[in-house]
Amino acid sequence: LAKTTQPISMDSYEGQEVNITCSHNNIATNDYITWYQQFPSQGPRFIIQGYKTKVTNEVASLFIPADRKSSTLSLPRVSLSDTAVYYCLVLDSNYQLIWGAGTKLIIKP
Amino acid sequence: DSGVTQTPKHLITATGQRVTLRCSPRSGDLSVYWYQQSLDQGLQFLIQYYNGEERAKGNILERFSAQQFPDLHSELNLSSLELGDSALYFCASSVEPDREQYFGPGTRLTVT
Repeated sequence: LAKTTQPISMDSYEGQEVNITCSHNNIATNDYITWYQQFPSQGPRFIIQGYKTKVTNEVASLFIPADRKSSTLSLPRVSLSDTAVYYCLVLDSNYQLIWGAGTKLIIKP
Repeated sequence: DSGVTQTPKHLITATGQRVTLRCSPRSGDLSVYWYQQSLDQGLQFLIQYYNGEERAKGNILERFSAQQFPDLHSELNLSSLELGDSALYFCASSVEPDREQYFGPGTRLTVT
């Protein structure tokens, strides 16, 4: 069974780059790694998804090493509105959805 | 607005009762997922359907059941409710299994 590990919380300041890493083992070899953002009392919102190497979109980058045992979400130049909980999601070899426990990111002025 | 709708928004009921939560996926999405989130906790995956068929099962209690109908909407049935079932229940949908999920606003269930 796959397992994910994320830091429980992180602090940063406006304008900084923030990197959140999720460790995951025994994940499916051919499936995506996905990251979500969640604000209090709202459903999670999709940020980015990748399979290998690096993916970038308008809000974030996702780095996945060749062994796929971890992934790093990179948020460039964060603002106060990026304060939220961030989750990684992987699929294990039995097609079970494995969510990380979430990283509470607090951005300070 | 993700395009996923859930009803009702809030539900207050008593222990031992049964409730049904409803979800309509985004137009074109064939896969539906159900999650439970207790206060200040992470997401607990309950169950996934794809085009009417159950695809994956997570930590869903035997007292809970779900189905996806031919029009692709889904219902989650919770029975013999306990105080510990109080939580936010989210539905999500995706165009294909395991692609990006779009979440509804959730149903907040309070069991008294």
